[in-house]
Amino acid sequence: DTEVTQTPKHLVMGMTNKKSLKCEQHMGHRAMYWYKQKAKKPPELMFVYSYEKLSINESVPSRFSPECPNSSLLNLHLHALQPEDSALYLCASSQEPSGGTNEQFFGPGTRLTVL
Amino acid sequence: AQSVTQLGSHVSVSEGALVLLRCNYSSSVPPYLFWYVQYPNQGLQLLLKYTSAATLVKGINGFEAEFKKSETSFHLTKPSAHMSDAAEYFCAVSRGGATNKLIFGTGTLLAVQP
Repeated sequence: DTEVTQTPKHLVMGMTNKKSLKCEQHMGHRAMYWYKQKAKKPPELMFVYSYEKLSINESVPSRFSPECPNSSLLNLHLHALQPEDSALYLCASSQEPSGGTNEQFFGPGTRLTVL
Repeated sequence: AQSVTQLGSHVSVSEGALVLLRCNYSSSVPPYLFWYVQYPNQGLQLLLKYTSAATLVKGINGFEAEFKKSETSFHLTKPSAHMSDAAEYFCAVSRGGATNKLIFGTGTLLAVQP
């Protein structure tokens, strides 16, 4: 299995809602990532998990809360979002956190709309 | 610090014509270099990567790229464009390891005219 899966594909939420994005990979990768991508822009790194521990937080607002329950799963919990948080949220994984090329495999993304 | 520059935010070619997408990098150490493609409303798919094994790298869908250290370039080419090649293309650089971030260029939107 060489796939990163993400659910849901689309999500519409109000500013007072709480929702979660889910990402899963079964390639045995030990690094997982969340990116945010606005239209016509490259992905922006949000978080990196290395061996299930948070290793990078790119100064992301606390209304975004990542969680890595095990080596295959990565969640992004959302609460009290703003309309400007509407974007495509991409999950990625790579094989070796401490070395290697950092070749990342991306999921299809969740298209989030905040009303 | 690493950075990536993609010259040309939009490139338009005719079907069957040569595709050339430009990427220049700056890095204080020999980098790893990648080209990713993104089709509308989809995630990123790796086209090819340079990892110092060979300077001419062949990827999927007939694409290839040549690493030129003297020019700090990693341009992407395809001899004959197909309509299905229309997409956004991102060049990226890394020094390796998850804590060495993947730095993306601003992207080039490739249009293929019939």
